[in-house]
Amino acid sequence: AQKVTQAQTEISVVEKEDVTLDCVYETRDTTYYLFWYKQPPSGELVFLIRRNSFDEQNEISGRYSWNFQKSTSSFNFTITASQVVDSAVYFCALSEAAYSGAGSYQLTFGKGTKLSVIP
Amino acid sequence: DTGVSQDPRHKITKRGQNVTFRCDPISEHNRLYWYRQTLGQGPEFLTYFQNEAQLEKSRLLSDRFSAERPKGSFSTLEIQRTEQGDSAMYLCASSVTGSGGSPLHFGNGTRLTVT
Repeated sequence: AQKVTQAQTEISVVEKEDVTLDCVYETRDTTYYLFWYKQPPSGELVFLIRRNSFDEQNEISGRYSWNFQKSTSSFNFTITASQVVDSAVYFCALSEAAYSGAGSYQLTFGKGTKLSVIP
Repeated sequence: DTGVSQDPRHKITKRGQNVTFRCDPISEHNRLYWYRQTLGQGPEFLTYFQNEAQLEKSRLLSDRFSAERPKGSFSTLEIQRTEQGDSAMYLCASSVTGSGGSPLHFGNGTRLTVT
């Protein structure tokens, strides 16, 4: 069965500091997808990034960057020069590409990391 | 693209009552999902529709829960004889057909409180 572990429950940083959110996953499949979602206090889950298991290139988008390492089954997320607007709960999630039952490709989420950026 | 819409945003009900939630997915999305999220946890999968067909249900979905998606458009999730343990945020998401990499787009959720 697939599993996602986000060991950091809460992190507090001072504005402009860099912060890394850890994500470790377990899956039996060789083909899978990894995601990060942001959940601000308003509650809506906002999609940030998707990576497939065959693409281990790191990705940078503005102040956000992602480090995918299959050898350690990790998909970590770094925010550079954090801002107060980054305060939210961040979820890592896994989807197995092979059919799960009726092909739902359901997401398995970690428990989330609550990030507080202090001005 | 108006996003995924859920109604109501909040629902308070007494134990034993029935409740129904509605989800309107993004119009061109034929996949629709229901998830449940409790405090301090990540969302957990409940059920999935491909067009109007309900193709998968989680073991979390007890017999008191039923979901429909008539005509493959909006969906409803009904909980009968609510229990306090049903208190949670119920999230709806939609996506396009494709591989497991199609990102899910979530609504704002319906927060249910059972007193």
